[in-house]
Amino acid sequence: AQRVTQPEKLLSVFKGAPVELKCNYSYSGSPELFWYVQYSRQRLQLLLRHISRESIKGFTADLNKGETSFHLKKPFAQEEDSAMYYCALSSTGRRALTFGSGTRLQVQP
Amino acid sequence: DGGITQSPKYLFRKEGQNVTLSCEQNLNHDAMYWYRQDPGQGLRLIYYSQIVNDFQKGDIAEGYSVSREKKESFPLTVTSAQKNPTAFYLCASTQLQGRDEQFFGPGTRLTVL
Repeated sequence: AQRVTQPEKLLSVFKGAPVELKCNYSYSGSPELFWYVQYSRQRLQLLLRHISRESIKGFTADLNKGETSFHLKKPFAQEEDSAMYYCALSSTGRRALTFGSGTRLQVQP
Repeated sequence: DGGITQSPKYLFRKEGQNVTLSCEQNLNHDAMYWYRQDPGQGLRLIYYSQIVNDFQKGDIAEGYSVSREKKESFPLTVTSAQKNPTAFYLCASTQLQGRDEQFFGPGTRLTVL
C-alpha cells in the first residue's frame, strides 16, 4: 500500500532562515509526487510537482528514490510562507492523491 | 470565481439523518474526487469518478455514497451509517490527460449534533 509520511506537525522558523519540510513515501511503482499548500482562508492548491523540477515562490523539492524522500526546501523563509503544507503521491490509473498528515509552517518576524 | 464550487459551506446534521454535499465544476474535467480532512490526518479519499455514470470507492468509502449523472456534478451523501461524520469535506477535479494537477473546492464543514 502507498503511504506518505510527514514527521513534523509544526515547523517554526524566523524570517530569513532556511526551511526544510520533510516528506517520505512508500510506493511500489514509479511515484509522482506533489507539494500542496493551504494558506489561511484559501483553498488547497498545488505548489509544485517533482516532474516539473521547477522552483515556485523560492521552494524546490527533489525526488530521492534511494531514500524515498521528497523534502521541500527554501533557503530564506518569508512571513507569507506561513501555511499548511501537504506532501502527496499520485497513483497511476486512478489519479487520486494519497496525502501526508501535513506540516504547519510558521515564519516569525 | 469559477472553477470548482461546494455548497453549503457549513452543514449541521442530527444523528440518524442523511445529508448531501454538493460539488460542481466548470473546468470540463473528467475526474472528480471527494476527500475527508481530519485534524492531524491529512486528507483521505472517499470516492472518485473518472467518467459519467461510473465511480469507485476510495480508502474510506463506508457510510458514504455518490452519483455522477453529469460531468460537472459529483454530489456526496453522508449516510447515517457513517460512524463519525463530523469533518471537513473537500471536492477536487482533474483532467485525465496531460497535466494532472488537482483543483480543490473551498470545502464543506459538516457537524453532527
